[in-house]
Amino acid sequence: RKEVEQDPGPFNVPEGATVAFNCTYSNSASQSFFWYRQDCRKEPKLLMSVYSSGNEDGRFTAQLNRASQYISLLIRDSKLSDSATYLCVVNPSFRQKLVFGTGTRLLVSP
Amino acid sequence: GAVVSQHPSWVICKSGTSVKIECRSLDFQATTMFWYRQFPKQSLMLMATSNEGSKATYEQGVEKDKFLINHASLTLSTLTVTSAHPEDSSFYICSARDGGRDEQYFGPGTRLTVT
Repeated sequence: RKEVEQDPGPFNVPEGATVAFNCTYSNSASQSFFWYRQDCRKEPKLLMSVYSSGNEDGRFTAQLNRASQYISLLIRDSKLSDSATYLCVVNPSFRQKLVFGTGTRLLVSP
Repeated sequence: GAVVSQHPSWVICKSGTSVKIECRSLDFQATTMFWYRQFPKQSLMLMATSNEGSKATYEQGVEKDKFLINHASLTLSTLTVTSAHPEDSSFYICSARDGGRDEQYFGPGTRLTVT
């Protein structure tokens, strides 16, 4: 079983739609969680950290479910510029190396 | 967010030559930097963890004598691909951890093509 699993997609949605991605992780002792965004042929950029209480940043909401070992990312009112690959990232131990999912590709169309 | 730079952004070299890639944290001190490689349509693969002032820790399957890492200061780590071969052609990305924080920030990457 992979340490971090994501549905590769692609998710094709129209502008304005709400879309959600899930990600599961295998190490129940994992300490911290992140969502990164990667555009084609570019480096990953930190989108948001995921906290136990959940957190929201504008149109983006992240949730963590430790019991079921999954994290989610919800994007409301999708924009064309949201088209990218979203990487689920887990840190198994505080301040150690990150483990990346393979990414979920999102395509937002007009 | 914190800024990490990489140089060069792309390089083409002949088989058998060596290529050095620099990774700098511009506005923070990075005690730990990480080097990744990404092939087309694949996920990032961690190659090694670089700690300032000590030897790098390489992931399984990564040849330490081929991929030389130096982290001589809190703001600079270098990766040297020695005796490059066409199969080393890839997108090399570094990241740096901002001090006591947990997040990592990525450089813009270096696209290496070996002919």
